[in-house]
Amino acid sequence: QLQLQESGPGLVKPSETLSLTCTVSGGSISSSSYYWGWIRQPPGKGLEWIGSIYYSGSTYYNPSLKSRVTISVDTSKNQFSLKLSSVTAADTAVYYCARQVVAAFDIWGQGTMVTVSS
Amino acid sequence: DIQMTQSPSSLSASVGDRVTITCQASQDISNYLNWYQQKPGKAPKLLIYDASNLETGVPSRFSGSGSGTDFTFTISSLQPEDIATYYCQQYDNLPMYTFGQGTKLEIK
Repeated sequence: QLQLQESGPGLVKPSETLSLTCTVSGGSISSSSYYWGWIRQPPGKGLEWIGSIYYSGSTYYNPSLKSRVTISVDTSKNQFSLKLSSVTAADTAVYYCARQVVAAFDIWGQGTMVTVSS
Repeated sequence: DIQMTQSPSSLSASVGDRVTITCQASQDISNYLNWYQQKPGKAPKLLIYDASNLETGVPSRFSGSGSGTDFTFTISSLQPEDIATYYCQQYDNLPMYTFGQGTKLEIK
């Protein structure tokens, strides 16, 4: 059964870069049928799509975050990663990785809380 | 950008009630509309995709309908385990994915 697991620092200082990795187990990230996405949720608020990547490295991002976001993939490790630069307190959120089939996110990681604070 | 308006923002209903949540898009999105359930402290779970298709393993009391700009999510008979926040999510051809504001469902 496919599982996704986020990992990375839980605390990031303002103006620094947030870095998270999603490890996919129980299946291959190189499947031609799926994209892989990042979604975040500030405390007590709704969901915001950050961006998505295909195993080939093709990416697309939320225009509101595009200037600060980089998503990459490492097929040898069955992982994909998120980097968000110049973070502020507004980037404090639970960050989820998810498998994307066409336009739906059908399998999610458990999420990881990232707090931006000095 | 396409705006999604989900209503109501909160809802209180009794076990066995029929519950309806709506989502309205600011422009035609065909059937590119999905519904998710999120329980406290958990990741969202896909329930309905492409407006009306039930995800595998999801109970049949959940359903979705609509196309174009107006969409409806229905629980035919509310169960205690259905207490959660529900989100719609649209897809457009930018590509861009946008979630609704969420509907918090509580038991009366």
